[in-house]
Amino acid sequence: GQSLEQPSEVTAVEGAIVQINCTYQTSGFYGLSWYQQHDGGAPTFLSYNALDGLEETGRFSSFLSRSDSYGYLLLQELQMKDSASYFCAVRGGVSNDYKLSFGAGTTVTVRA
Amino acid sequence: NAGVMQNPRHLVRRRGQEARLRCSPMKGHSHVYWYRQLPEEGLKFMVYLQKENIIDESGMPKERFSAEFPKEGPSILRIQQVVRGDSAAYFCASSPQGTGELFFGEGSRLTVL
Repeated sequence: GQSLEQPSEVTAVEGAIVQINCTYQTSGFYGLSWYQQHDGGAPTFLSYNALDGLEETGRFSSFLSRSDSYGYLLLQELQMKDSASYFCAVRGGVSNDYKLSFGAGTTVTVRA
Repeated sequence: NAGVMQNPRHLVRRRGQEARLRCSPMKGHSHVYWYRQLPEEGLKFMVYLQKENIIDESGMPKERFSAEFPKEGPSILRIQQVVRGDSAAYFCASSPQGTGELFFGEGSRLTVL
């Protein structure tokens, strides 16, 4: 099976930088994804890393180190609208199983 | 291009009744996933289906729960003889094929009285 660990909550001020770490254990690994969810609404896709390194998409970046079974999501220039829950998710298991297993989520609170 | 459509958005059932949740994936998507989320918790995988096939149901309770994705029509998550512990938000997601990007619906919130 798969297990993921991420911090339960983070608080920061507008304009700051936040890094959300995620460590995972999985049998077989195909990639690490990040999702954002506002107040129980639909989770939305942020990024996907299949290979080691940093992927940058605007203010958000995601990093993966497969050898360390570790990744992080970096939120830069925080805005109030970034207050949400952020989930890392891993695709693992056998090659024809594309399910994602999610971490418990990190609640990010942005203060003025 | 409509997104993933789930209905009903809210459903109230009494203990012992049946709940049917429907999900229409995005156009062109052949992979459907169901997740359950309790308040303040993460998304728990339940089942992964492709057209007419259950690929992985390792997260589905063995009793009372079933899922299908017929050749025509939406995917259905069926919960028989509901109990209070079934109260949760049930999210459906779809993907085109084998990617790390899932497109989620707005969820169906089941309340069992």
